[in-house]
Amino acid sequence: EPEVTQTPSHQVTQMGQEVILRCVPISNHLYFYWYRQILGQKVEFLVSFYNNEISEKSEIFDDQFSVERPDGSNFTLKIRSTKLEDSAMYFCASGGSQREFLDTQYFGPGTRLTVL
Amino acid sequence: QQQVKQSPQSLIVQKGGISIINCAYENTAFDYFPWYQQFPGKGPALLIAIRPDVSEKKEGRFTISFNKSAKQFSLHIMDSQPGDSATYFCAGGTGNQFYFGTGTSLTVIP
Repeated sequence: EPEVTQTPSHQVTQMGQEVILRCVPISNHLYFYWYRQILGQKVEFLVSFYNNEISEKSEIFDDQFSVERPDGSNFTLKIRSTKLEDSAMYFCASGGSQREFLDTQYFGPGTRLTVL
Repeated sequence: QQQVKQSPQSLIVQKGGISIINCAYENTAFDYFPWYQQFPGKGPALLIAIRPDVSEKKEGRFTISFNKSAKQFSLHIMDSQPGDSATYFCAGGTGNQFYFGTGTSLTVIP
């Protein structure tokens, strides 16, 4: 069964450093998402991406964040200058191989980001 | 503001019992309400979902009840099993943006 994959599983970085989190969505999906989950808290929407551009973004997704689909398979989240409060689990999700299935999102296993 | 409110925060149920988790939403524009199951160290996995044009949806032991006028929906897990022990999140939104509830930690005691 196809699945969303994410690398690395755990990233440790120093405050102020740039990090890139990588995701390989399910191959025929058209919509891509990033969410984050601070330990023990709810899942929070960051951004959605369709047709090589951002569709929606939350207030969390400020100028420090950017997303890119550099090729036909990868989808990346970049945090330019990490802060302590960026420490969280970051989930990639994909969905929407056909219009009528737009809303079904499949989540990857997550990348745990620890900012020291 | 919290777009989707979820309760209870934690739930303990005996094996074979019924687990009930409740959610309420604010935005009447929401048109899709999924429930996700999350095991420790894993990403959320879609369990079951409903659109507001139906009042109930059942898949195996899992049932969503939806009350559009009250802006509430709930997940019922029948014949709860120890393997159902996980965190459950409700969510609501439209095609591109979803808001998650705060999660319910379910423990099913053998």
